[in-house]
Amino acid sequence: SYELTQPLSVSVALGQTARITCGGNNIGSKNVHWYQQKPGQAPVLVIYSDTNRPSGIPERFSGSNSENTATLTISRAQAGDEADYYCQVWDSSLYVFGTGTKVTVL
Amino acid sequence: EVQLVESGGGLVKPGESLRLSCAASGFTFSSYSMNWVRQAPGMGLEWVSSISSGSSYIYYADSVKGRFTISRDNAKNSLYLQMNSLRAEDTAVYYCARDDLYCSGANCADAFDVWGQGTMVTVSS
Repeated sequence: SYELTQPLSVSVALGQTARITCGGNNIGSKNVHWYQQKPGQAPVLVIYSDTNRPSGIPERFSGSNSENTATLTISRAQAGDEADYYCQVWDSSLYVFGTGTKVTVL
Repeated sequence: EVQLVESGGGLVKPGESLRLSCAASGFTFSSYSMNWVRQAPGMGLEWVSSISSGSSYIYYADSVKGRFTISRDNAKNSLYLQMNSLRAEDTAVYYCARDDLYCSGANCADAFDVWGQGTMVTVSS
């Protein structure tokens, strides 16, 4: 089955840039979505199809996808960006979530 | 307001059954595929099952295939998950999530854009 690997944690200084990776075999050929989940809350879609932001998501959130790695970038990180982030793809009639990354804003 | 509200969670013993429900409001339920996603305590998200708008296409994660059954009643704007032969490893918060098609130019893909608040299922003797 298809696997998506994310770093367990990423730390970023307030106002700086955080990059969260999502590794998968030839993930560049797939559409990658990213979700943000804050403690005790349901996930929220922040990036769809590699690079696109749903309405209401700040421009500080951006994405890219190439070869074996997709990346979620959070620019000018704010305290409110502290959360768990998950990547997701569709593969062989199954949805697959990444292992999740905890982002800490210092 | 677009909303999904899960119910039916609780404490059950291994081997027992439980039926979860998800009530949809604020959108045309019958036009969307729907999903169940679960999250074990302190763990990540795990997709469980999907059902297309007209119930023609149904998919399951390998971990629940043969034990769980997804269904929907479009007249009642409701999604269901029948869970049989429950195991301790099924303990989790279960979310229902709406599946919508997002397009960027000619490139389209389904993403989960509306989620419920979740219902807790605990399987323990």
